[in-house]
Amino acid sequence: SQTIHQWPATLVQPVGSPLSLECTVEGTSNPNLYWYRQAAGRGLQLLFYSVGIGQISSEVPQNLSASRPQDRQFILSSKKLLLSDSGFYLCALRRGPKNTEAFFGQGTRLTVV
Amino acid sequence: AQTVTQSQPEMSVQEAETVTLSCTYDTSESDYYLFWYKQPPSRQMILVIRQEAYKQQNATENRFSVNFQKAAKSFSLKISDSQLGDAAMYFCACPGGNNDMRFGAGTRLTVKP
Repeated sequence: SQTIHQWPATLVQPVGSPLSLECTVEGTSNPNLYWYRQAAGRGLQLLFYSVGIGQISSEVPQNLSASRPQDRQFILSSKKLLLSDSGFYLCALRRGPKNTEAFFGQGTRLTVV
Repeated sequence: AQTVTQSQPEMSVQEAETVTLSCTYDTSESDYYLFWYKQPPSRQMILVIRQEAYKQQNATENRFSVNFQKAAKSFSLKISDSQLGDAAMYFCACPGGNNDMRFGAGTRLTVKP
């Protein structure tokens, strides 16, 4: 079965600093990968998704970017963090056909101070 | 893009009673699945149940069942014999035609002993 590794679990960063969150998966090939953000007590906002290496679809114009340098690696980045970037970031994968469920990593709690 | 609406930000239920969480969706897909996820305080996303849209029979998983009304695009979750461990955020999810997957805003369920 697939495994999703997401790190770090918790991160406190000053405003204006860069960000790099990494997500790696095991146990599956050519997955669809997703980054979601969840504000405190709120729903999941789809930020980016990728159907393959180098292929990134962006959902919301924002201060963030994503990259997929390898089949099983998905990176969320920012050059300069804003206070509004604080939240809980979840990486997810879906295997194969579009109607399969999503599997999630443990998430990263980002606090921008 | 598809939309998912959960109109109940919070719900509460007495232990051992039954509660129904509502979800409506809109998708242009003709063949799709729908999902309910549970997010306990640990924030790990857990798949609760899935429904195939082309199946008229409502899905059931132990104490969890759905009421799927395809024409109305309604997909509610019923939890029977509620337990304290059922307390969590519940999210309804609907895949889209572009390999994306969207979630509702969530319903926070409280279980009273």
